[in-house]
Amino acid sequence: ETGVTQTPRHLVMGMTNKKSLKCEQHLGHNAMYWYKQSAKKPLELMFVYSLEERVENNSVPSRFSPECPNSSHLFLHLHTLQPEDSALYLCASSHFRGLNTGELFFGEGSRLTVL
Amino acid sequence: GNSVTQMEGPVTLSEEAFLTINCTYTATGYPSLFWYVQYPGEGLQLLLKATKADDKGSNKGFEATYRKETTSFHLEKGSVQVSDSAVYFCALGGTGANNLFFGTGTRLTVIP
Repeated sequence: ETGVTQTPRHLVMGMTNKKSLKCEQHLGHNAMYWYKQSAKKPLELMFVYSLEERVENNSVPSRFSPECPNSSHLFLHLHTLQPEDSALYLCASSHFRGLNTGELFFGEGSRLTVL
Repeated sequence: GNSVTQMEGPVTLSEEAFLTINCTYTATGYPSLFWYVQYPGEGLQLLLKATKADDKGSNKGFEATYRKETTSFHLEKGSVQVSDSAVYFCALGGTGANNLFFGTGTRLTVIP
């Protein structure tokens, strides 16, 4: 596998469920990101991890909980979500900020539907 | 603060037509500017970028020029193809935690 891989591609969950989204990158990058893509809204940056430490948390509700166990893997744990959380969740990776060219590599996204 | 405004669309063009997708930005300092493209069922991928005023980014026949005086970075292509059908995102490079500020995206459909 190459690039940035996200699983599952589609997820339907009830408001009381607990689920996780997984992201894996095979590019040797050491920064990883979660973005939320909703219709007719700009992509919203949720979390940034650099060298496995969280460096940004953009006022995301606590029902979203990220985890970065190593530089190749990123998770987004979901708990008691709301219907308005339904969206496409995109994972991305890049080189560490000091070497960054501004180019992020995105996965194909996980389409989440909350009933 | 930093922000990007791009034309909403959707945009529908016939094959070989000229394309312009407008993008303007608000920023402190001198950010880098980017266009990303999202083909159906795929993630975003970088299309082109410009890192300073008057730079022109180009790729796959697409071009955009960093205009500081008009704070714009409009995307253009002289002759679109059906395979160019996608959603196009303008983005501005922020400072701090190495992140990008994206616009809302413009959906382009090219018909034969």
